[in-house]
Amino acid sequence: NAGVTQTPKFQVLKTGQSMTLQCAQDMNHEYMSWYRQDPGMGLRLIHYSVGAGITDQGEVPNGYNVSRSTTEDFPLRLLSAAPSQTSVYFCASSYRGDYTEAFFGQGTRLTVV
Amino acid sequence: GENVEQHPSTLSVQEGDSAVIKCTYSDSASNYFPWYKQELGKRPQLIIDIRSNVGEKKDQRIAVTLNKTAKHFSLHITETQPEDSAVYFCAAKDSNYQLIWGAGTKLIIKP
Repeated sequence: NAGVTQTPKFQVLKTGQSMTLQCAQDMNHEYMSWYRQDPGMGLRLIHYSVGAGITDQGEVPNGYNVSRSTTEDFPLRLLSAAPSQTSVYFCASSYRGDYTEAFFGQGTRLTVV
Repeated sequence: GENVEQHPSTLSVQEGDSAVIKCTYSDSASNYFPWYKQELGKRPQLIIDIRSNVGEKKDQRIAVTLNKTAKHFSLHITETQPEDSAVYFCAAKDSNYQLIWGAGTKLIIKP
């Protein structure tokens, strides 16, 4: 049971490049989400999904796209990377319900130069 | 919508002493309050949680209390140890099943 798997672990991009952060979970969780965590700050929600085919914006969605074609996968796309997107990105998943634990991936440290 | 405030942002305690981190929430409909621990360079992981129909929950040296009337909940760590050094996040689950996070508390255990 791998849990939540994120790839890559580290990435350096040039301004204007695009890339996709991968997230996969093997727990059959309905709910998946992407957060960014900046130094000394908390977790800010970028996008989330309550099931395959359904996505919605979180607190800081600009510059990011998501899709959810399967229950297992929830990729995050950076359309045109900017230095302000330098951050650590976490994917999380959980069962949809009142008292369910969120499981996090190991994180992706992204630097945009 | 729900809003969660967490205090203090940094807490330094002597090894062996107790640590208390406090959170307040705004939405009285929230009914689930987890606490996550994030060690340096690692992912956040659940350490304890409490449901709205419970006032207190303990797990060894860790306890969480909830005051629904005042809309606040607290994390208590007794007999602190070096391995307790980390960032702690509180959260509240809102009526859309979303977790709303506090800003985090950096706990420093002094030897």
